[in-house]
Amino acid sequence: NAGVMQNPRHLVRRRGQEARLRCSPMKGHSHVYWYRQLPEEGLKFMVYLQKENIIDESGMPKERFSAEFPKEGPSILRIQQVVRGDSAAYFCASSPDPGSNQPQHFGDGTRLSIL
Amino acid sequence: AQSVTQLDSQVPVFEEAPVELRCNYSSSVSVYLFWYVQYPNQGLQLLLKYLSGSTLVKGINGFEAEFNKSQTSFHLRKPSVHISDTAEYFCAVSSYNFNKFYFGSGTKLNVKP
Repeated sequence: NAGVMQNPRHLVRRRGQEARLRCSPMKGHSHVYWYRQLPEEGLKFMVYLQKENIIDESGMPKERFSAEFPKEGPSILRIQQVVRGDSAAYFCASSPDPGSNQPQHFGDGTRLSIL
Repeated sequence: AQSVTQLDSQVPVFEEAPVELRCNYSSSVSVYLFWYVQYPNQGLQLLLKYLSGSTLVKGINGFEAEFNKSQTSFHLRKPSVHISDTAEYFCAVSSYNFNKFYFGSGTKLNVKP
């Protein structure tokens, strides 16, 4: 039973390029969460999505960042025109219906480095 | 809004010694509490959770935590640590709808031989 799958594990981009991070939730999970971990810091919530819906994006930067979770395929976190400060580890988590009292399961993350 | 404070950024300890990692939280509503462990270059793995019931929660790898509502604390303990416990530990809270987790800044546990 595969866990939360994130790819790529490592991503290098030059300033101004676009970064696309993918997350496939655990089987049976329909809720996806994205977090960002800056060096020496804890995880910070970015966005919570269900299939085809953004439920809470209160942690997303106002510009350049977007997320989607289409009906088919993985969830995508997209960062346009990347800057040095975007360098971080980005983690995806998934859960079944929150009413099931099940905590989130995390992927191994994508480490984004901006040159 | 909720917040989590882990006062100790690093905790060095010798193998087979006991350890306590501290976690305090603040919240205007009732919350669920969690401890996660992160090994280098990996994601977070759930150690244990408190949802309701007994305030002493036992998790994997011999860890346990006690929920203290009056002190708003959820400290993690292990009576005898191993080298393999060297990792970073994160305390987290979520509201009852599980929509959002708030994480502490982490405590790096360094177990020395």
